[in-house]
Amino acid sequence: NAGVTQTPKFRVLKTGQSMTLLCAQDMNHEYMYWYRQDPGMGLRLIHYSVGEGTTAKGEVPDGYNVSRLKKQNFLLGLESAAPSQTSVYFCASSSTGPRNYGYTFGSGTRLTVV
Amino acid sequence: DQQVKQNSPSLSVQEGRISILNCDYTNSMFDYFLWYKKYPAEGPTFLISISSIKDKNEDGRFTVFLNKSAKHLSLHIVPSQPGDSAVYFCAASDPYNAGNMLTFGGGTRLMVKP
Repeated sequence: NAGVTQTPKFRVLKTGQSMTLLCAQDMNHEYMYWYRQDPGMGLRLIHYSVGEGTTAKGEVPDGYNVSRLKKQNFLLGLESAAPSQTSVYFCASSSTGPRNYGYTFGSGTRLTVV
Repeated sequence: DQQVKQNSPSLSVQEGRISILNCDYTNSMFDYFLWYKKYPAEGPTFLISISSIKDKNEDGRFTVFLNKSAKHLSLHIVPSQPGDSAVYFCAASDPYNAGNMLTFGGGTRLMVKP
């Protein structure tokens, strides 16, 4: 019963470096999301996917790319990290069922860009 | 401009008393509202939800009230327990987004004192 698993849990990057955050879910959910959490800003949607092979931009997509090559995995990439991308990143998934099911979240990745 | 706002960043309550967390929204298209609870170093977990066709929904110690005319919802926790100490996010959804996306508020940190 892993649910949604995010790796890594912590990472420190230098400005300009690149990295990929991995999200894996084992609930056969169609929809997957990447959010970032910043103090006072709540959770803001970066990108999302409504199914394997599809991706779409959310509220704050600049500086990020995503891929959903397999239904269970959703990758978030930072091509050239900037200090403004210091944040806690959460992946979530949901079924296509009634909206009262809500999301299942991973435990987060804390990223610091120096 | 934030479509979902939680104007109180923090709230302190004595154990056994009522906790009331508030949330305001501006988008009149929102018709489904959820509350999530988040402990440190963990992802948010779904707590309770309400559809716009209702004005109240209860689940044990947790009750959510919706006032559509005021575009306001609140979460009541009675009685409050120290284990309820966490950050609470309200979230909203509209029926027209294909990705089942949620818009989150900034969060309220609840501290329940023994």
